Formats: sequence, structure tokens, C-alpha cells
Amino acid sequence: KAGVTQTPRYLIKTRGQQVTLSCSPISGHRSVSWYQQTPGQGLQFLFEYFSETQRNKGNFPGRFSGRQFSNSRSEMNVSTLELGDSALYLCASSLQQGAGTEAFFGQGTRLTVV
Amino acid sequence: AQSVTQPDIHITVSEGASLELRCNYSYGATPYLFWYVQSPGQGLQLLLKYFSGDTLVQGIKGFEAEFKRSQSSFNLRKPSVHWSDAAEYFCALREAGTALIFGKGTTLSVSS
Repeated sequence: KAGVTQTPRYLIKTRGQQVTLSCSPISGHRSVSWYQQTPGQGLQFLFEYFSETQRNKGNFPGRFSGRQFSNSRSEMNVSTLELGDSALYLCASSLQQGAGTEAFFGQGTRLTVV
Repeated sequence: AQSVTQPDIHITVSEGASLELRCNYSYGATPYLFWYVQSPGQGLQLLLKYFSGDTLVQGIKGFEAEFKRSQSSFNLRKPSVHWSDAAEYFCALREAGTALIFGKGTTLSVSS
């Protein structure tokens, strides 16, 4: 069974641009979460989608947005990029919502803002 | 508010020696607890999880963890470390309706 697929793996963008990252969850999984990982802040939760609805949102500015499609694939968008947005963005999929549901992570998209 | 603390930023262990990575959490009730491992340039892989029941849980790759409610701890252990275990390890908790909350991670180096 294929794992969580994130595309692209690497991105270099210029400050002020916008970027869209994609995540394809494991087949049958309906919950997708996004995390930002930086050396200084560690792993921070961005948002969670389940059945095309945002269920949870972390403490990030409105420049960070996401959506989930009917096939459970998800995208996150960052507008007006700042240098501080450089990070590894990880997507995790789960069969369903719930605290005990195991989250499977993709390999991440490494975003560099110059 | 819930939080996870991993007191050790970096640990070096000799190959074949035992390992214990510490994790303390702050949460009013018993949370769902997890340990993840991340190799360089990779995503996170779940090693083990604790929900309830037996406080000693077994995971993959020979890892185990013990939940101690009185100490609010969920330490990860391995009796004999292999060079391939060198990676970053994250402890995390989750309660119903919320996302995973991660500790800052512990980097494990294995010396020969």
C-alpha cells in the first residue's frame, strides 16, 4: 500500500511569492494534517482536514491556508512568503479523526524562501 | 495547556549499549502518547503508542516505552542500540479533538 506522498520534495521561492504544496494520503484515509518543522520551533501544527472540512487550526497567520478535496488529497498554500517560512512541511494522514488514530507522515516538502 | 518536554537535546550512546530517552508531559488526564523517529531528510515514523492498559508498550525496531502516571513520563528504551538507530526522536501527545503536540526532539548519535 502506497504511503503518504508529498509533492514537490523541494522548493525554492522568493520572498513575497506564494506557494502550493500537495499531499496525497494513504488510500482510504480521510484525515489529513499539516505540520511545519523548523530547527528553532520544532514541529508545529498548521491545520487538520477531515472529509473536506477544516477541523482544527494551529496558531499561524492567515497567509497559511489549506483545503481538502473529495478524494482526500490536500493542498496547503502560503501567500506572501517570508524568510521565516523556510521549513520542512509535513503532511500526515489518518484513517479517521480521533486522538488514538495513528498518523502516517509523508517525507515532507522542503521549502526555502530567499 | 498540554505540553511535551524532552529534556535531552542530544545523546550519544555506544553501539550495543542501552538507551533511554526521556519524555515528560503536562496534561490533566491520561493522554494518548506516541514516540516517533525521524531520519535525516525523512518524515516521521511511528515507533509505538500508549492509550491505556499495560503501562509497558512494545514498538517496532526493538523499542519499548513505559508510561508512569505519577511522574508524567513516557520514556523510550532500547536494550541494545544499533548504528542504524541514529536519528531524531520525538515524543508526542494527543487528546480528543486536537492535533499531535510534539516535544522538541532528542538527537541520538551512536558511536562505534
